[in-house]
Amino acid sequence: DAGVTQSPTHLIKTRGQQVTLRCSPISGHKSVSWYQQVLGQGPQFIFQYYEKEERGRGNFPDRFSARQFPNYSSELNVNALLLGDSALYLCASSYSGVLAGKDTQYFGPGTRLTVL
Amino acid sequence: AQSVTQPDIHITVSEGASLELRCNYSYGATPYLFWYVQSPGQGLQLLLKYFSGDTLVQGIKGFEAEFKRSQSSFNLRKPSVHWSDAAEYFCAVGALSNAGKSTFGDGTTLTVKP
Repeated sequence: DAGVTQSPTHLIKTRGQQVTLRCSPISGHKSVSWYQQVLGQGPQFIFQYYEKEERGRGNFPDRFSARQFPNYSSELNVNALLLGDSALYLCASSYSGVLAGKDTQYFGPGTRLTVL
Repeated sequence: AQSVTQPDIHITVSEGASLELRCNYSYGATPYLFWYVQSPGQGLQLLLKYFSGDTLVQGIKGFEAEFKRSQSSFNLRKPSVHWSDAAEYFCAVGALSNAGKSTFGDGTTLTVKP
């Protein structure tokens, strides 16, 4: 079975532009979470979606938005890019988003965003 | 607010030696604790997790971790390190009420000497 997939792998944008990152969860998984990982730091939680509804939001500005589609894939949008948005953006999927018991969060390889 | 501290930024061990990576957390209720490994250019892979029950948790690749509530710690151990274990390791804390949101430490980079 395919794991979590993300596209594109790498992306270069300039300040002020907008970007859309895409994530396809593992088949059967209904929850998708997005994380930002700045170089030298751990991932920071941005959003979680379950069954197309936003279930959680981290401490990020309104320039960041996301949505989940009926097939459970997800997009992360970032408007008015800043240099500080340069990071690895990770997508993770799980069956329920509730990580107790047997449910596990699986991460994709990430999208490397560089803002010039 | 929940937080995670990994006191060691970088650790070097010889192949075959034992390993312990430290993790301290801050959380008001019963925490859900995780250890992940990240190889260069890769996403995160779950090594093990703790929710309740036995405080010594076994994971993949020969890793184990011990939850100590009194010390707010969840240290990762391996009795004999292999060169392929060289990677970055992240400890994370989550909560059932935050369903899927995890707070990560800044990671510990492990170098393995031949």
